[in-house]
Amino acid sequence: DTAVSQTPKYLVTQMGNDKSIKCEQNLGHDTMYWYKQDSKKFLKIMFSYNNKELIINETVPNRFSPKSPDKAHLNLHINSLELGDSAVYFCASSQGGVREKLFFGSGTQLSVL
Amino acid sequence: GENVEQHPSTLSVQEGDSAVIKCTYSDSASNYFPWYKQELGKRPQLIIDIRSNVGEKKDQRIAVTLNKTAKHFSLHITETQPEDSAVYFCAASMEGNNRLAFGKGNQVVVIP
Repeated sequence: DTAVSQTPKYLVTQMGNDKSIKCEQNLGHDTMYWYKQDSKKFLKIMFSYNNKELIINETVPNRFSPKSPDKAHLNLHINSLELGDSAVYFCASSQGGVREKLFFGSGTQLSVL
Repeated sequence: GENVEQHPSTLSVQEGDSAVIKCTYSDSASNYFPWYKQELGKRPQLIIDIRSNVGEKKDQRIAVTLNKTAKHFSLHITETQPEDSAVYFCAASMEGNNRLAFGKGNQVVVIP
């Protein structure tokens, strides 16, 4: 009965590869997010979707492409992975935007070698 | 955009003592201020939030105070316990803006 689930939990890959992270929420929330947490623990918003529509796209390389097939899912595809992409990626959801409680997934630890 | 800063970056307290973490924000239009707690290896979780129509909010051992004039808000943890050891993130947002600006986090260590 996990509220926000993301897979995989760990992802180890070589530079230049393409990988995807999947996220699903069963809370019926309208808004979903991707956050990146670097080695210094800084949480930075990458994307936000509301009812499958992109509403926030921060300064993220276009190698990162989010996809929301329905409002319960927000996947993140990363092309041509670079060393600097190594981080923990958190999916989150909320009802009504960031001024309500954000429910985070358990995170995906991405290591690019 | 909004800029949120947290002080101190690391705080060590003896078990049973109180801990206070302060955040400052730059945009006077911000009016929603949540605090998230992240234990080691876990996900961030909301522990308390405050909106600008009140100056203080309490929930058991934690409280948040807001000073709109000075543009800062603080998290107070009383009777600290080892399970309070975590990174605490403050954040700020304003009406009509779907962005939540996080601070860089405070590491709180409760010494048994």
